[in-house]
Amino acid sequence: DTAVSQTPKYLVTQMGNDKSIKCEQNLGHDTMYWYKQDSKKFLKIMFSYNNKELIINETVPNRFSPKSPDKAHLNLHINSLELGDSAVYFCASSLAGFSGANVLTFGAGSRLTVL
Amino acid sequence: GQNIDQPTEMTATEGAIVQINCTYQTSGFNGLFWYQQHAGEAPTFLSYNVLDGLEEKGRFSSFLSRSKGYSYLLLKELQMKDSASYLCAVTNSNYQLIWGAGTKLIIKP
Repeated sequence: DTAVSQTPKYLVTQMGNDKSIKCEQNLGHDTMYWYKQDSKKFLKIMFSYNNKELIINETVPNRFSPKSPDKAHLNLHINSLELGDSAVYFCASSLAGFSGANVLTFGAGSRLTVL
Repeated sequence: GQNIDQPTEMTATEGAIVQINCTYQTSGFNGLFWYQQHAGEAPTFLSYNVLDGLEEKGRFSSFLSRSKGYSYLLLKELQMKDSASYLCAVTNSNYQLIWGAGTKLIIKP
């Protein structure tokens, strides 16, 4: 059974479109994250939710809107897609947000290509 | 600012030993992680250090010196499947995880 699953794995779309990526974890973790990994391979935190509540909201355009219906799900909706949004988006989860020993379990990633 | 520095790319030979270094400057310290990421896949957890010294786990070991802001990942008896990127990440005093750009390790037969 997949621990952190995200869909779709690949997404190719035109500039200006709106798209969503879904994420679900079956690990019983309290905290979920969205990361963006660009072509230079830097992992950048975008959002973090703890038990459905937003705890980290980095400087991300407000075209990006996360939604957490329950602690096992964290979806990412992107409006008015731009070329610079092309990247791999990783969902991740962990036991608790505020811990030094916070091991993250990542989903397989969603590769977004904006044309 | 906060940053993590690690070499961009390293090459090693199958069966050999390689050491991947990581230096960090962060606002506080609450632990250092190493993750492995194969091309096109998700990062997976390798090791965690919070106290100075060496942590050994099979063929992989990780070392930490907090006073020097320095860590290394040591891979022994290299196998072709070890070809991957190795990401160093530090938890700062606000429990934010700061990531390095990763070191791409190429293993040659």
